Amino acid sequence: DARVTQTPRDKVTEMGQEVTMRCQPILGHNTVFWYRQTMMQGLELLAYFRNRAPLDDSGMPKDRFSAEMPDATLATLKIQPSEPRDSAVYFCASGLVLAGVINNEQFFGPGTRLTVL
Amino acid sequence: SQELEQSPQSLIVQEGKNLTINCTSSKTLYGLYWYKQKYGEGLIFLMMLQKGGEEKSHEKITAKLDEKKQQSSLHITASQPSHAGIYLCGAVMDTGRRALTFGSGTRLQVQP
Repeated sequence: DARVTQTPRDKVTEMGQEVTMRCQPILGHNTVFWYRQTMMQGLELLAYFRNRAPLDDSGMPKDRFSAEMPDATLATLKIQPSEPRDSAVYFCASGLVLAGVINNEQFFGPGTRLTVL
Repeated sequence: SQELEQSPQSLIVQEGKNLTINCTSSKTLYGLYWYKQKYGEGLIFLMMLQKGGEEKSHEKITAKLDEKKQQSSLHITASQPSHAGIYLCGAVMDTGRRALTFGSGTRLQVQP
């Protein structure tokens, strides 16, 4: 049963510390998305990759957030330095996006619940 | 303002009752996705609608996309406690991006 995995599931850290979240997309999927969910803003896109290349990171605060895909089986989202307002659930999703096809299923991981004190 | 408006924001129903959740866009939708989320868990894909007038069903859940492709409804027949959770609609709002824009969610409680 293929699924997106994320680690860690929960992370509590102090303000100013570096946080790294990891995602393993479903094998064969060519697109990886990072979303953030908060009570106030709901679910919003941070960044996404196609074939490991960043396509859009306009939703991400550039000064402290960075997203990478070192290989096809690993996507990372890093926050340095972390701030209390970064507390949220961070979801990774993957999908097989085909050229010329607008709609493609996106499969979500279980999320990383981040608390910054 | 939300590009996708969901209503109601929350819903409490008695087990066995039917219910409907709506998702409305001010723009024409290229497709509409429905997900379900339980507290502390990820989003579970329910169904995707692409064509105006399309209707899909899975077990006791039916979703429709209206002809003008600006509104979708999710209907649950004979609700059960297992249906409880947050229902989210999502859509591709920009064909240049394949990422989804989501509504704010509808929290459903089903009382036994």
